Amino acid sequence: DAKTTQPTSMDCAEGRAANLPCNHSTISGNEYVYWYRQIHSQGPQYIIHGLKNNETNEMASLIITEDRKSSTLILPHATLRDTAVYYCMRRRGDTGRRALTFGSGTRLQVQP
Amino acid sequence: DAGVTQSPTHLIKTRGQQVTLRCSPKSGHDTVSWYQQALGQGPQFIFQYYEEEERQRGNFPDRFSGHQFPNYSSELNVNALLLGDSALYLCASSPSWDLGYTFGSGTRLTVV
Repeated sequence: DAKTTQPTSMDCAEGRAANLPCNHSTISGNEYVYWYRQIHSQGPQYIIHGLKNNETNEMASLIITEDRKSSTLILPHATLRDTAVYYCMRRRGDTGRRALTFGSGTRLQVQP
Repeated sequence: DAGVTQSPTHLIKTRGQQVTLRCSPKSGHDTVSWYQQALGQGPQFIFQYYEEEERQRGNFPDRFSGHQFPNYSSELNVNALLLGDSALYLCASSPSWDLGYTFGSGTRLTVV
């Protein structure tokens, strides 16, 4: 199984940047890094993915180290609605039909 | 445009019974995957369907079976229910060319 390592939980103050780390030291050259989040009682929601370049979209930024062994998801201005479990995953990018392998994720609590 | 729709939202069954869960994928998506999420855990991949056939399968016994219909909707069947089958069952859909999945809100199954 493709494995990643994330902290179990993190806190962040509302309005501040939330930086969620992920270790994927054995990632292969054709594997992307994916981030999903799951707000309580909802299905997981896609956030962002990347291969080796940094990526940004309307939700977040993804910073991948040059050696690709780790990455950081950045929520630039966290709100209370960003409280969720955040999952970092590795996934081969050669097909849109490859399953996702979820770990335990990081529980982010945004504090008022 | 409706996203992924799952039914029912909640279900209570007795040990030994059989259950069928249903999923309608997002419009334009032809691939459906099913995940099981136990309380406090990340989702675990059960299987994936496209072109009306099971294409990938996770580490689940054959009590778990599925079907995909010509309109791309899907069913998950679980026979001989065990107490340990109590979980949130998530359906995710994707088009073949896109690496992202869209998840439904899930069906909460309780086995008593």
